[in-house]
Amino acid sequence: EPEVTQTPSHQVTQMGQEVILRCVPISNHLYFYWYRQILGQKVEFLVSFYNNEISEKSEIFDDQFSVERPDGSNFTLKIRSTKLEDSAMYFCASRDRDISGNTIYFGEGSWLTVV
Amino acid sequence: GENVGLHLPTLSVQEGDNSIINCAYSNSASDYFIWYKQESGKGPQFIIDIRSNMDKRQGQRVTVLLNKTVKHLSLQIAATQPGDSAVYFCAENMGSGGSYIPTFGRGTSLIVHP
Repeated sequence: EPEVTQTPSHQVTQMGQEVILRCVPISNHLYFYWYRQILGQKVEFLVSFYNNEISEKSEIFDDQFSVERPDGSNFTLKIRSTKLEDSAMYFCASRDRDISGNTIYFGEGSWLTVV
Repeated sequence: GENVGLHLPTLSVQEGDNSIINCAYSNSASDYFIWYKQESGKGPQFIIDIRSNMDKRQGQRVTVLLNKTVKHLSLQIAATQPGDSAVYFCAENMGSGGSYIPTFGRGTSLIVHP
């Protein structure tokens, strides 16, 4: 079964440093997402991306966050200056064109620890 | 500062029993609902979905029931197996203008005892 792959699986970074989390969505998918999950809490929507631009974003996705699809395969999440509260599991997800009969597929996640 | 964590509701069942996991959603205008399973250290995995014009949908060993009157969703798992042990999230579509943004609920931890 096709899958969404994410790298790194775990990253430890100093507060204030920039972090880039990488994702390779499923190849024929058109919609891309980032979610995060703080330890023990629910999965929270960050941003959705379609046709090379952000389609929706949540209040969490402030100016410190950015997304990019630099080539035909990768989808990245950048956190410009990390804070302690950015420590979480970050999930990338993708889906095909039509939601009927299609689902969002999530990657295994990138665990970010800010110290 | 005080560390406030969410303690997940937990459902413990014996292997072979049927499980029912409940979820209350917030937006009466939501038109699409999904159940996800999340195993430890992994991403959410799609189980089953239902549109708001239905009140029941069945999959393999799973059934989702939707009660729009009280904004309630349930997931029934038949003959629960140890491999079903995971956290289960319901999600509602909070996207606007035809977009699709699953918004996750709190989650229920299902523990299946062999």
